[in-house]
Amino acid sequence: EVQLVESGGTLVQPGGSLRLSCTASGFTFSSYEMTWVRQAPGKGLEWISFISMNSITIYYADSVKGRFTISRDNAKNSLYLEMNSLRAEDTAIYYCATLSCTNGVCYDSFDSWGQGTLVTVSS
Amino acid sequence: SYVLTQPPSVSVAPGQTARVTCGGNNIGNKRVHWYQQRPGQAPVLVVYDDSDRPSGIPERFSGSNSGNTATLTISRVEAGDEADYSCQVWDRSSGHWVFGGGTKLTVL
Repeated sequence: EVQLVESGGTLVQPGGSLRLSCTASGFTFSSYEMTWVRQAPGKGLEWISFISMNSITIYYADSVKGRFTISRDNAKNSLYLEMNSLRAEDTAIYYCATLSCTNGVCYDSFDSWGQGTLVTVSS
Repeated sequence: SYVLTQPPSVSVAPGQTARVTCGGNNIGNKRVHWYQQRPGQAPVLVVYDDSDRPSGIPERFSGSNSGNTATLTISRVEAGDEADYSCQVWDRSSGHWVFGGGTKLTVL
């Protein structure tokens, strides 16, 4: 069974830093592209970052570019999100998710999600 | 940047058909994906590539995409279908993924 477990969310002051982790199990992590999506309280989903299987291709949403860094360690089946210069508007549940692949064909949808970790940015 | 527009809410009686729309400039040229999110839970992919269903998703869920509008159709709506539904595309020009604002489906 595919399982993604996010951790690291907590209360942090504006301007602070935080590192989120996503630990994967039940599938070959190194064969999947990964992404982070967040959801502010009462708001919709917002895509924030993508990383390819070998970490060569990385994308960021404009809202986090230059402040957040995505990375992965395939040996540890883990995905990370380093968050710096945090702002109140970064307050959200952060989800990691896999890009969809079926029978060797991959799509740009997200088909497995973790339960999320809450980041609160407040003084 | 590419924008997807969804109605904030849709209401439907049990057993009827619900249609949730997602508008975007020439969205018919993109592949649209749909997610269901129940309160307090993570999103679940219900339709990908406009009209395909992941394993385990009932046939009652279907999708279409043409012109400037994509549509998620839920037939024979059940109380358990009450949730937020969000559309998503990948915008090749920016390399970014984009979500619509989400539509709350209420089963009357």
